[in-house]
Amino acid sequence: DTGVSQDPRHKITKRGQNVTFRCDPISEHNRLYWYRQTLGQGPEFLTYFQNEAQLEKSRLLSDRFSAERPKGSFSTLEIQRTEQGDSAMYLCAVPYRAGTNTGELFFGEGSRLTVL
Amino acid sequence: AQSVTQPDIHITVSEGASLELRCNYSYGATPYLFWYVQSPGQGLQLLLKYFSGDTLVQGIKGFEAEFKRSQSSFNLRKPSVHWSDAAEYFCAVAFNSGNTPLVFGKGTRLSVIA
Repeated sequence: DTGVSQDPRHKITKRGQNVTFRCDPISEHNRLYWYRQTLGQGPEFLTYFQNEAQLEKSRLLSDRFSAERPKGSFSTLEIQRTEQGDSAMYLCAVPYRAGTNTGELFFGEGSRLTVL
Repeated sequence: AQSVTQPDIHITVSEGASLELRCNYSYGATPYLFWYVQSPGQGLQLLLKYFSGDTLVQGIKGFEAEFKRSQSSFNLRKPSVHWSDAAEYFCAVAFNSGNTPLVFGKGTRLSVIA
């Protein structure tokens, strides 16, 4: 089975605060992706992991953003000193079939961030 | 940079009418192509995919898409639209046989009227 649990589903924070999102795939996947989706736009790639290694980061991922996948299973995405422009849905995704890398991704329902 | 273009931001069709949503991608090696659907308040759901072979692919919910390499296009079609098809549709491409992260278009919002 393929599935992704994201927590929290919705986070409201004040500008300047730090937030952390967690992504838990329900089964083992070598790759794990983070995307961001703002209102009226398609998802935009942020970063991805191959096991514990962070292989690629988008230029969208400023130095206020950091992602980890310490044991090659769950992953966290932290945003420091949040800005109003960070308000978005943060999506976690894994390959539809464990062990495959065809680009076919299963997305979690996302963590919606609202920065006041 | 590799990109995906969905020229239509919003399309309105009558229930029972046919539908075609357009998608073009910038040149890239061995594209793997996808259509996703996102209903209001819902997550992204994969509709269909193209890796290789027959350029006309069938997906869920009665959708199909045709890959035209010469036009760098992967248009989504449905012969008869149902009211429940109202949603946002995203075209996505992974180049190099899926080894690069998915790149999404900005989406086309489909409205269905009676």
